[in-house]
Amino acid sequence: DTAVSQTPKYLVTQMGNDKSIKCEQNLGHDTMYWYKQDSKKFLKIMFSYNNKELIINETVPNRFSPKSPDKAHLNLHINSLELGDSAVYFCASSHRQGEETQYFGPGTRLLVL
Amino acid sequence: DAKTTQPNSMESNEEEPVHLPCNHSTISGTDYIHWYRQLPSQGPEYVIHGLTSNVNNRMASLAIAEDRKSSTLILHRATLRDAAVYYCILHFGGGGGADGLTFGKGTHLIIQP
Repeated sequence: DTAVSQTPKYLVTQMGNDKSIKCEQNLGHDTMYWYKQDSKKFLKIMFSYNNKELIINETVPNRFSPKSPDKAHLNLHINSLELGDSAVYFCASSHRQGEETQYFGPGTRLLVL
Repeated sequence: DAKTTQPNSMESNEEEPVHLPCNHSTISGTDYIHWYRQLPSQGPEYVIHGLTSNVNNRMASLAIAEDRKSSTLILHRATLRDAAVYYCILHFGGGGGADGLTFGKGTHLIIQP
């Protein structure tokens, strides 16, 4: 069974569109995260959610909004997509905060044309 | 999170041990040393972590210097499947809130058959 899953795996869309990426974890973890890996392969934290509460929000445009319907899901909604949003987006989860191990999903490859 | 320094790339032969160094001279007392790796076209994968003592698991060993200003990830017998980018990450272990991982550039490990 896949621990952290993401859908879709690939997403190609036009500038200005609104899209969502879904993430689910079946590990019973309390905390979930979204990371962005750009074309230079740098991985950066975007958001984390702990028990449905947003804990951190790095310098991410407000076009990006995480939505957590329950503890097992953290979806990423993106409004008015821009060319610079093209990247690989990874979802992750961890049991607790601090030194706990994070488990990553397979990634969603977003291409904005 | 404090900064880490790793070589951009390293090359090794299959079935030989690999020692991946990491310098973290500004590490604080509550920082845990984590290692993750990212295989091509996959999400990051946890390898090992430690605080002060050397650690062993089924994937690797982590040797931590006595002053904690450097550490070495040891792959005892590298295989072609170990070819990946290896990230050394310091993560605050004091709790008190969820936090994302700060990824650097990592070391691109090349395994020659």
